[in-house]
Amino acid sequence: EDQVTQSPEALRLQEGESSSLNCSYTVSGLRGLFWYRQDPGKGPEFLFTLYSAGEEKEKERLKATLTKKESFLHITAPKPEDSATYLCAVQPIIQGAQKLVFGQGTRLTINP
Amino acid sequence: DGGITQSPKYLFRKEGQNVTLSCEQNLNHDAMYWYRQDPGQGLRLIYYSQIVNDFQKGDIAEGYSVSREKKESFPLTVTSAQKNPTAFYLCASSRERAYEQYFGPGTRLTVT
Repeated sequence: EDQVTQSPEALRLQEGESSSLNCSYTVSGLRGLFWYRQDPGKGPEFLFTLYSAGEEKEKERLKATLTKKESFLHITAPKPEDSATYLCAVQPIIQGAQKLVFGQGTRLTINP
Repeated sequence: DGGITQSPKYLFRKEGQNVTLSCEQNLNHDAMYWYRQDPGQGLRLIYYSQIVNDFQKGDIAEGYSVSREKKESFPLTVTSAQKNPTAFYLCASSRERAYEQYFGPGTRLTVT
């Protein structure tokens, strides 16, 4: 069964304190891995797609990396506006379908 | 401005009533999806559609129905057969052969 586990469930940092969020996955074949940001009461906002091990993507203070078993979302010198829930999802290789399997998310709080 | 709209933002219904949630997109995307989000759980796929007049059940389709008569629209009906309908419902869309999905703002449904 395809599965995604995110850790930690919640993380509280001081402004400027860098850290990483983890996304571990088991999937029969990986078409892509996705990171989203979700603010309370809103829909997820797309951040990154990673397709193969060793790939990295960056956007402002965020950098996503991918290995064969997990992905990390590194946040460098975060600001309070980076506070949100970060969701990880994988797309298994399934003939004729574009289904995503989501993790439960990591709730990130950045204190000023 | 291209995007996905969901209406209404909040919806209240009595138990035993069917209710229809609206989802419209002007991104010219072929595929559309409905997810349900509950506290502490990842997003779960209800239904998806890759082309007009065709749709497939996701992981939790029981008690729900959909239609796809137009490329831009993918309404979801929550029927009285759905045992726990209170949740945050998210609609998403994606391009053909592109894997990232873009989400609408969501509809919070409360059934009492």
